[in-house]
Amino acid sequence: DARVTQTPRHKVTEMGQEVTMRCQPILGHNTVFWYRQTMMQGLELLAYFRNRAPLDDSGMPKDRFSAEMPDATLATLKIQPSEPRDSAVYFCASLPGRTITGELFFGEGSRLTVL
Amino acid sequence: TQLLEQSPQFLSIQEGENLTVYCNSSSVFSSLQWYRQEPGEGPVLLVTVVTGGEVKKLKRLTFQFGDARKDSSLHITAAQPGDTGLYLCAGDRSGGSYIPTFGRGTSLIVHP
Repeated sequence: DARVTQTPRHKVTEMGQEVTMRCQPILGHNTVFWYRQTMMQGLELLAYFRNRAPLDDSGMPKDRFSAEMPDATLATLKIQPSEPRDSAVYFCASLPGRTITGELFFGEGSRLTVL
Repeated sequence: TQLLEQSPQFLSIQEGENLTVYCNSSSVFSSLQWYRQEPGEGPVLLVTVVTGGEVKKLKRLTFQFGDARKDSSLHITAAQPGDTGLYLCAGDRSGGSYIPTFGRGTSLIVHP
C-alpha cells in the first residue's frame, strides 16, 4: 500500500527552537510538494522539488525556513528559529512523473505547535 | 486575495438534503481538482476536470467545470454523514505540470 509518510505527526516546541519535518514520498514519484495548512490561509504552497531539484520556494519565509531533498526517498522542511505564527499542519505531497489526473498524494501531515 | 474562492465556507445540513458548493476564480485553469479532507488526514482526490463545460459524476457527487475554465461546482445529492469533511478545490495554471493552488475549502457537516 504505497503512501506518503511524514514524521513527526505531532510536535510541540518552544519559540526559538529548531524544527525538522521529514517526508518519504511514494517510490517513483518525482515531484514533491510542501504545503502549510491553517484555518486562516488554507493550504499554502511552500516549496516543491522535481527530480530532487528545488523548483520554487517562493512561498517560504526565506530567513527561517529551508527545504531540501537529500535523496529520492527523503524530503525535509526545517524551521530555525521557530515562532508561534509557524503553528500549523505541514503536509508533504508527491506526484508521479506521468499523470493524467494530476492527483497529489498527501501524507497525513505534521501538526506543529510553537509555544 | 485568494486565487480560488470557495463558498460557502461552512455548511451544516441534515442527512438526505442536497447541496452545492462553488469554486470561483478570475483566472483560467488548465485543470481543476476537487479533494476531500477528513480530520487528521491529508486531502484525497475526488475528481479532475479538464475540459470547459465538463460534467463528471461520482455516485451522488456531480462535478462541473465552467465553460471558461475559471470556476467549478460540486453538487451532492442526498447527503450522508459519511460525506462530512473539508472539500477543497485546486487549480493548475502551469499547463499540465500540475502545480496546484488550493482554495480555503468548504467545511461540510452532515447530521444524521
